[in-house]
Amino acid sequence: QLVLTQSPSASASLGASVKLTCTLSSGHSSYAIAWHQQQPEKGPRYLMKLNSDGSHSKGDGIPDRFSGSSSGAERYLTISSLQSEDEADYYCQTWGTGIDVVFGGGTKLTVL
Amino acid sequence: QVQLVQSGSELKKPGASVKVSCKASGYTFTSYAMNWVRQAPGQGLEWMGWINTNTGNPTYAQGFTGRFVFSLDTSVSTAYLQISSLKAEDTAVYYCARQHHLDYWGQGTLVTVSS
Repeated sequence: QLVLTQSPSASASLGASVKLTCTLSSGHSSYAIAWHQQQPEKGPRYLMKLNSDGSHSKGDGIPDRFSGSSSGAERYLTISSLQSEDEADYYCQTWGTGIDVVFGGGTKLTVL
Repeated sequence: QVQLVQSGSELKKPGASVKVSCKASGYTFTSYAMNWVRQAPGQGLEWMGWINTNTGNPTYAQGFTGRFVFSLDTSVSTAYLQISSLKAEDTAVYYCARQHHLDYWGQGTLVTVSS
């Protein structure tokens, strides 16, 4: 079964960097994922599609501060030079055969 | 530029029906699948299913069969989500989102079910 696991929360200081992790379930380490940001009281926003080799393609207007990387079954979202507006929920998402979509539980990022 | 614009908030009584629209612009509507995603209050994102905008064939996720119907009007580049026999637990924000990696999202439609 295709499952994505995320830590429920993370925190980092203003101006620092943070690395969020999304782990694919066993047997699915080759899957690409997408990262989405949801700021408080707003709808989700597509950040990037991240492949198993670490290559990624970002959405429109996504700053260079957002980058993605991969290692085995883990997919990472790194946000550098944290700003207050980066405080948000971050969801990873993948898809399987027949375009079934799966979401991770989301990580709530607090900027201190 | 690609845009998905959804219809406005709805307040419905239990047992009623609601139809949410998602109007696409800035791309060829029939070239990309359309997904529907639910977010209950204070909860995460839940995939409801998708519709093939070329054939009109819908696929529903587990838990979204029976009362939920996806449809299209390709002449106006619009996808629809209809929910019948509404229950209080259907209260949520409903989003449309394009293709399998959800690269564009609608702004969301709040559906409130309350007597």
